[in-house]
Amino acid sequence: ETGVTQSPTHLIKTRGQQVTLRCSSQSGHNTVSWYQQALGQGPQFIFQYYREEENGRGNFPPRFSGLQFPNYSSELNVNALELDDSALYLCASSFRTDNTGELFFGEGSRLTVL
Amino acid sequence: QKEVEQDPGPLSVPEGAIVSLNCTYSNSAFQYFMWYRQYSRKGPELLMYTYSSGNKEDGRFTAQVDKSSKYISLFIRDSQPSDSATYLCAMAKENEKLTFGTGTRLTIIP
Repeated sequence: ETGVTQSPTHLIKTRGQQVTLRCSSQSGHNTVSWYQQALGQGPQFIFQYYREEENGRGNFPPRFSGLQFPNYSSELNVNALELDDSALYLCASSFRTDNTGELFFGEGSRLTVL
Repeated sequence: QKEVEQDPGPLSVPEGAIVSLNCTYSNSAFQYFMWYRQYSRKGPELLMYTYSSGNKEDGRFTAQVDKSSKYISLFIRDSQPSDSATYLCAMAKENEKLTFGTGTRLTIIP
């Protein structure tokens, strides 16, 4: 069974640039959620994708957008990067959209914005 | 005030001690309560899952939920150096996504 994989693991961008982060969900999981974890903080929900549609969004501006593909992999795109976007971005997959299913997290993509 | 409060620590205890980790919350609508463990440079992994009130035990780990006090706990018995990690509480209302605490950094000293 393949776990959740994310790429890239680390990247550095400058303010105003755009970034795309990628996630391959665990085999058999059709739901992908993205979280932002700032240093010393807990993960904050960005959005969830189920069957290629956004299924819930947290308190993040529209410059955070995403996609889910037919194979359930997903992308997180962030436009017009700000310094405060520096964080660990976690992808989690599950086989349910509600809270009765366990979330399986990847190791994250660490983004630094200079 | 945050919906979920968790003491960030750090917390250091000797090997073999009982560890108590806690979170408080303000929203009485929370129904799902979880504890995640996060090792350094890794993603969180689910440790314990409880729906509504009560206790749940799994090996050396016990999770307690007291909805009347809006307080949840995780106990680790016979703590091991491999238990050294950040422990995140998480909770959710019906049909809503998880809200995490800030995490407590735990170190078990051999």
